[in-house]
Amino acid sequence: SQQGEEDPQALSIQEGENATMNCSYKTSINNLQWYRQNSGRGLVHLILIRSNEREKHSGRLRVTLDTSKKSSSLLITASRAADTASYFCATEVDSGGYQKVTFGTGTKLQVIP
Amino acid sequence: DAGITQSPRHKVTETGTPVTLRCHQTENHRYMYWYRQDPGHGLRLIHYSYGVKDTDKGEVSDGYSVSRSKTEDFLLTLESATSSQTSVYFCAIRGGDGSGELFFGEGSRLTVL
Repeated sequence: SQQGEEDPQALSIQEGENATMNCSYKTSINNLQWYRQNSGRGLVHLILIRSNEREKHSGRLRVTLDTSKKSSSLLITASRAADTASYFCATEVDSGGYQKVTFGTGTKLQVIP
Repeated sequence: DAGITQSPRHKVTETGTPVTLRCHQTENHRYMYWYRQDPGHGLRLIHYSYGVKDTDKGEVSDGYSVSRSKTEDFLLTLESATSSQTSVYFCAIRGGDGSGELFFGEGSRLTVL
């Protein structure tokens, strides 16, 4: 089974509202990352939070990490139609001294103009 | 752009035939990853490499092999393609600045008939 799982699987909101996506994972991590994917394209990195950090901001993005609950959330504030995309969390773990990165199942966000 | 290209971008093949997908980077980064993306599963790690001739298995490695004879190229081979390997395959490289960020190629869509 996969390391990470996001919920909800799909989210539809009005432009200007905030969007919150959650990610849960199973094992200890080095860091957790969030990526965005527009339809038919490769993934684009949004933000990374290290295991010793609890919150991070980047523009309209806010990420929190709770290592005790093995969970993270991504908040997009004041959403725009252009934010419509799929969002994935990814966790980096140590595997025999090497960095293994696995992804969750994704949240499909639709922002309605 | 991170200087990562995948080839071919599209391929249709028949069950039982061998297929090789190529990932090429111009960044000289150490880590390279192969993922497959299927509806409902997000991205799943197939194999990854942490240096020339150094590779390891991911979550869904059965039926796949990889090779890395040069830093810039990471090849994914399906020795005998099956219909269950119909998917979109993504290659990624890990940034060399220690940030942990992954840069993705545009994907290779493989259809096995």
